[in-house]
Amino acid sequence: DAKTTQPTSMDCAEGRAANLPCNHSTISGNEYVYWYRQIHSQGPQYIIHGLKNNETNEMASLIITEDRKSSTLILPHATLRDTAVYYCIVRYFGNEKLTFGTGTRLTIIP
Amino acid sequence: GAGVSQSPSNKVTEKGKDVELRCDPISGHTALYWYRQSLGQGLEFLIYFQGNSAPDKSGLPSDRFSAERTGGSVSTLTIQRTQQEDSAVYLCASSLERMATNEKLFFGSGTQLSVL
Repeated sequence: DAKTTQPTSMDCAEGRAANLPCNHSTISGNEYVYWYRQIHSQGPQYIIHGLKNNETNEMASLIITEDRKSSTLILPHATLRDTAVYYCIVRYFGNEKLTFGTGTRLTIIP
Repeated sequence: GAGVSQSPSNKVTEKGKDVELRCDPISGHTALYWYRQSLGQGLEFLIYFQGNSAPDKSGLPSDRFSAERTGGSVSTLTIQRTQQEDSAVYLCASSLERMATNEKLFFGSGTQLSVL
């Protein structure tokens, strides 16, 4: 799987949009971008994934650049419950071994 | 059940003892994964089960680690002769099917293993 690079930590004010970047410059054409998050003392939680097009669901939006070398996860109106470690993962479709890095620790500030 | 269930939630053991960790996946999920997470680290893949296929054991760190899945449902991860470096949170995840385009992994809350 392609390697991803994320900032170690970020802060965001409550109620504002949280934009979490991820670089995956070695991504190949059949690799998906997945985002999971891990709230303290819990297992990771799926957020969203995409291949080429931007995606939106009830939790977040995923913006993938045209060259697919980077992406941004957007939490539109961050709440205190969004404080967590966010993992960006690039995964070859059909590869079961989801490889987690150390992620971005997002802290939502009241 | 409603989600992936793991037991025990916490396990303290002495170095050299064997431990068994249990995972109950979501009903109907055919794929089951074990990961471990050391303090402050990312998740490390251990083993993967899919239906009746042979498991992918490529992530097991040593032959002291083994896992089985009985009846395509409950899984047990066994660590023999535990060492202090085995201390970690052991996470289990399941998914509906392996090759689905929108496959999502659902994780349990993990078992915190402490080896003294």
